Amino acid sequence: EPEVTQTPSHQVTQMGQEVILRCVPISNHLYFYWYRQILGQKVEFLVSFYNNEISEKSEIFDDQFSVERPDGSNFTLKIRSTKLEDSAMYFCASRWQWDTGELFFGEGSRLTVL
Amino acid sequence: GQQVMQIPQYQHVQEGEDFTTYCNSSTTLSNIQWYKQRPGGHPVFLIQLVKSGEVKKQKRLTFQFGEAKKNSSLHITATQTTDVGTYFCAGVDAGNNRKLIWGLGTSLAVNP
Repeated sequence: EPEVTQTPSHQVTQMGQEVILRCVPISNHLYFYWYRQILGQKVEFLVSFYNNEISEKSEIFDDQFSVERPDGSNFTLKIRSTKLEDSAMYFCASRWQWDTGELFFGEGSRLTVL
Repeated sequence: GQQVMQIPQYQHVQEGEDFTTYCNSSTTLSNIQWYKQRPGGHPVFLIQLVKSGEVKKQKRLTFQFGEAKKNSSLHITATQTTDVGTYFCAGVDAGNNRKLIWGLGTSLAVNP
């Protein structure tokens, strides 16, 4: 069964450092997403990406965040200067259509900022 | 702004008891999805409801979409320990932006 893969599974970093989280969405999907989940809380939307550009972003996704699809397969989330409150599980997701159909989630990258 | 309220936040049941979680949207939805997240896991799609008044069943799980397409429920009959996790609803706003709006989730604990 096709799956979304994410690396690393866990990253520990010092406050102020840059972090890149990587995702390989399902190959024929067109819409890509990053979500964040602070421990025990809800899934929070960060950004959606389609046709090589951001289609929507939330208030959380400020200028410290950026996304890129550098080649035909990878989809990355960069945090330029991490803060303590960036500690969370980051999920990548993808799907075929914009407003319907299953969102396939990766297993997540846990980011710990010290 | 657009919101999807989900209640209850937590539910603790004895194995064999039934469980229901409810979602209510402030706006009309074009469709609503339900996801389950096991402890330590990632959200996994359960189902999508599209039609007004739609009811779908998956074994012991029954999903409903309200007539006005503003509310939905997930009912589990005779819970088992494998049902433990957090259940999220996520609705697509029927307006122009077609945004997917997530509920806060209901965490279900089942005592064996």
